[in-house]
Amino acid sequence: AQTVTQSQPEMSVQEAETVTLSCTYDTSENNYYLFWYKQPPSRQMILVIRQEAYKQQNATENRFSVNFQKAAKSFSLKISDSQLGDTAMYFCAFMKHERETSGSRLTFGEGTQLTVNP
Amino acid sequence: NAGVTQTPKFQVLKTGQSMTLQCAQDMNHEYMSWYRQDPGMGLRLIHYSVGAGITDQGEVPNGYNVSRSTTEDFPLRLLSAAPSQTSVYFCASRGLRDRYGYTFGSGTRLTVV
Repeated sequence: AQTVTQSQPEMSVQEAETVTLSCTYDTSENNYYLFWYKQPPSRQMILVIRQEAYKQQNATENRFSVNFQKAAKSFSLKISDSQLGDTAMYFCAFMKHERETSGSRLTFGEGTQLTVNP
Repeated sequence: NAGVTQTPKFQVLKTGQSMTLQCAQDMNHEYMSWYRQDPGMGLRLIHYSVGAGITDQGEVPNGYNVSRSTTEDFPLRLLSAAPSQTSVYFCASRGLRDRYGYTFGSGTRLTVV
C-alpha cells in the first residue's frame, strides 16, 4: 500500500515571498503520478500541478513548481510570488499507473494549511 | 460542461436515518470514486467504480453502499447514519486514459447528530 506524508500541518508566508510545502511518499511502484491539489475555503478541490514519475524534469505551472526526487521519494511544491488567493489547504496525492481495470485510486496526504499574509 | 455535480451541498441527519448522496458526471468518465475528508486525515477512499456495474471497496467502506447502474451516476448510500460519519464527502471522476488525475465535485458537508 502507498502512503503519503505531509509533515507541515500549517505554514504561513508574506505576500510576494516564496514558500515550499513538503511531501514524502512510500511506494514500491516504479510507474506512478504525483499531484498537488489546492482546497480554498470554498471547499473545491483544484488541481495545481502534476508530475509523472518517469519524467526527470520537474513540472512547472506559472508560479508553481515542484522538486521531484524519485530516489528520495520526495515531492515538494514551491509557490513563488505568493498571493493572498493562494491561501488554502494543499494536499499532496499519489496515483499508481494501474491497469485499466483497477481504477488508479488517489492516496492523499494529511494536508498543509497555507496562509498568505498581506 | 457541468463536470462533477454533487447534491446536496449540506445535510443534517439524525442517528439511524438513511440517505443517499448523489453524484453525476457529464464527461463520460469510466472511473468514479467517493472520498471522505476529516481534519488531519486528508481524503480517504470509501468506494470506487471502474465502469457501469462494477464497484469495489476502498479504505473506509463500512457503513456505506454504492451502485453504478449508468456511466454518469454513482450514488453513495448511508443505510443507518452514525455520528462517526460526520464528514465532508467528495465524489470524483476520471477518464480511462486521463493522466491529469481526477475531477472533483464541490463536496457535501454531512452532520450526523
